[in-house]
Parts: sequence; structure tokens; C-alpha cells
Amino acid sequence: AQKITQTQPGMFVQEKEAVTLDCTYDTSDQSYGLFWYKQPSSGEMIFLIYQGSYDEQNATEGRYSLNFQKARKSANLVISASQLGDSAMYFCAMRGGLRTSGTYKYIFGTGTRLKVLA
Amino acid sequence: DSGVTQTPKHLITATGQRVTLRCSPRSGDLSVYWYQQSLDQGLQFLIQYYNGEERAKGNILERFSAQQFPDLHSELNLSSLELGDSALYFCASSVADNSRWGPTDTQYFGPGTRLTVL
Repeated sequence: AQKITQTQPGMFVQEKEAVTLDCTYDTSDQSYGLFWYKQPSSGEMIFLIYQGSYDEQNATEGRYSLNFQKARKSANLVISASQLGDSAMYFCAMRGGLRTSGTYKYIFGTGTRLKVLA
Repeated sequence: DSGVTQTPKHLITATGQRVTLRCSPRSGDLSVYWYQQSLDQGLQFLIQYYNGEERAKGNILERFSAQQFPDLHSELNLSSLELGDSALYFCASSVADNSRWGPTDTQYFGPGTRLTVL
């Protein structure tokens, strides 16, 4: 079965420090995509970064980078130089499921609430 | 602003009623996705349409239905509403139809419709 696990319900980080948000996944698909989204208190979902299962390089988008370790089935999000505006809920997500169900599925983790301290 | 619009922003109704949520995708995007976010279930993928056709199905109840119109906007119909249907309903859009992998598959979310069933 497809599954995304985020084991950190909440985290604190000091402003300007780096922080890593953990995400592990389970899939039997050979081809899949991994995403990270940010959900501020206002409620909207904001796309941050994408990693394809065949991508050899770790994805980076500005201060966001995805530490992709395929053998360990982990896709951790690293935020460098944290800012107060980074305080939000962060969701790891996966697109997969074609092999097992014949159609694509989108699965989200339960999220990690990040609080950046001044 | 992701470019995806959803109306209404808030909706309050009674059990047993029927409501329609509307979504307009980003310009150029052909795929529309619907999600339900509730406190106990987290973020659940409901259904995807690509260029008017159903493309993927998730945990969508039989009381719920959706469609995508020729102008690519989509509607999610929820009927025989129950208290447990109270949630934030997101629409997202992307360029791809799942037949290609890569950043073009990234989903951009609308601001959501908060449904309260009393």
C-alpha cells in the first residue's frame, strides 16, 4: 500500500537556522513523484518542491532542498536560513499507485507544524 | 496567489442538503483535482479530471460527484450532507494528465472552500 509518514508532529527552529522535516514513504511503484507543500495558518496550500523518483540530483528551490534517499525511501525537506514567515504546517506528498491500482493516487502525510522563533 | 480560484469561500448548510463547490484552474492547466481536508482524516484525494474526463479516483464517497466542463472549470457536488462532511475542500490544477512525470505535474492549490454542516 502507498503510505507517507511524517513522524514529527511539531518542531521549533531558531530564526536564521536550518531545519530538516522528515518524510518517509512506502510504495511498490518504480516511478513516482514526491512533493512538499506548505500550509500557513490562512489555510492555502503552497507548492514548495518536487522530486521525481528517477531524478539523480536532489531538488532545490531557493531556500528549500529535498534530501532524497531512495534506498531508505526518505524525502526530507531542508529549509535553510529559517524566517518567521516559514511558520506553517508542512505536508509531504506522493504521487504513485499506478502499478497497484491501475490509476494514480495522491497521498499526503499528516504534516509537521513548524514554528520559527525570533 | 496560485491562480486557482474557488467559490464560495465559506458555506454553511444543514444535514441532508446538497451543495456545489466551484473551481477554476490556472490558465493553461488541463487537470483539476479535488481534495478534502478534515481534522480526523487529514488531506484526502477525492478525484481528478483531465480535459473533461475523469482520470483518477481516490476516496470519494458515492454521495459526492464531480465534473469538468468544456471551459475547464470544475464543480464538486456533495449531497445528503452529514456532519462528518464538514471540512476544507481544496481544488488544485496542473498541466499534466498523469501520463507524464516531472515538474509539470505539480499541483497548484486554490484557497479552499470551508464547508460547515450543521
